[in-house]
Amino acid sequence: DVVLTQSPATLSVTPGERISLSCRASESVDTYLHWYQQKPNESPRLLIKYASQSISGIPSRFSGSGSGTDFTLSINGVELEDLSIYYCQQGNSLPYTFGAGTKLELK
Amino acid sequence: EVQLVESGGGLVQPGRSLKLSCAASGFTFSNYYMAWVRQAPKKGLEWVATISTSGSRTYYPDSVKGRFTISRDNAKSSLYLQMNSLKSEDTATYYCARHQGSPNWFAYWGQGTLVTVSS
Repeated sequence: DVVLTQSPATLSVTPGERISLSCRASESVDTYLHWYQQKPNESPRLLIKYASQSISGIPSRFSGSGSGTDFTLSINGVELEDLSIYYCQQGNSLPYTFGAGTKLELK
Repeated sequence: EVQLVESGGGLVQPGRSLKLSCAASGFTFSNYYMAWVRQAPKKGLEWVATISTSGSRTYYPDSVKGRFTISRDNAKSSLYLQMNSLKSEDTATYYCARHQGSPNWFAYWGQGTLVTVSS
């Protein structure tokens, strides 16, 4: 199975700053890497598909990059509403797997 | 608007069975692969099952293969998950999710239904 390692586990942020979250795969997943946001007590929501493709309705401050084994989710100007857990997920091979998540908290 | 509404969760004893349902609306159900994804309390996400548009192909991780069965009724726009031989480690919120395009990502999610396996 492909193991996705997300770092850091927790990130303390200040509103307005630019941040980057990392997701590293145990083997190449090409660009079959997707990002989700889960706010407290809510269902996950798709943020980015295929490593860098934007999703309709998602604010433009969210962007993704990477291919192969190293991926990054960036938030350009964090807002309070972004305090959530972010998960990466690979769809290159079965079983589909998720990373353990990165939690954004207020500094 | 895409809506996915799960039901059927609850408290069940180890070794027993439970069947979850997901009512879909706001899209042509028969055109999309569908899936179940679960989340244990305070834990991360785990893919549980995927089913093709016609229901002829199903996919599972080893953790549930042979115990869980995903199915669908396109006439009723409904998705199901039959869970047998339940274990305490199956305790989780189960989300119904819709794939889109190549079925390797989850475009829409329901609100989830909690399954607790305990004696």
